Amino acid sequence: DAMVIQNPRYQVTQFGKPVTLSCSQTLNHNVMYWYQQKSSQAPKLLFHYYDKDFNNEADTPDNFQSRRPNTSFCFLDIRSPGLGDAAMYLCATKGFRTEAFFGQGTRLTVV
Amino acid sequence: AQKITQTQPGMFVQEKEAVTLDCTYDTSDPSYGLFWYKQPSSGEMIFLIYQGSYDQQNATEGRYSLNFQKARKSANLVISASQLGDSAMYFCAMREMDSSYKLIFGSGTRLLVRP
Repeated sequence: DAMVIQNPRYQVTQFGKPVTLSCSQTLNHNVMYWYQQKSSQAPKLLFHYYDKDFNNEADTPDNFQSRRPNTSFCFLDIRSPGLGDAAMYLCATKGFRTEAFFGQGTRLTVV
Repeated sequence: AQKITQTQPGMFVQEKEAVTLDCTYDTSDPSYGLFWYKQPSSGEMIFLIYQGSYDQQNATEGRYSLNFQKARKSANLVISASQLGDSAMYFCAMREMDSSYKLIFGSGTRLLVRP
């Protein structure tokens, strides 16, 4: 059974049109992350939550925001997507041991 | 600052043979965790193996083993008896040992298993 679920798997959005990606986890862990992975690159951390504490990385663009209404759900909002924001977006939480447990990702295309 | 280095952009291996993927790291924190992930073309990140900095023995998970050399700051992944399904991108990662559980990734190695 999937423990981190990301919807949708594929998202196409228009240049400049706000888009929201969603993530839910059944592990009930207090940590959640959003990573951005561009083609042929390593994942790059955008945000992470520890309980209700929200942290964005220093180089996360202002165009990106995140919400976590409860332990299970987390959202990534891109206010005005540009062509450079096309990427795979990966949500994760803490796994059974100490690893980060990832969802299947949402592949975002900007047209 | 913590850093992960993977110097092999791409690797080939013959089916059923073993292959080693290199990873070196740099940190001033004595307490850290090292991870390997597999990313097939579908895009999901699959956890393979974990090594803690204080673990005395090298980690093993089925066909995967981690060759941990602390003094050299290396954490190489060894895949034994390669299978066609092992063809994927492999990422080495390190975790800060604070409460955030943030992972820092290397640039990855693309492995292609030849039949």
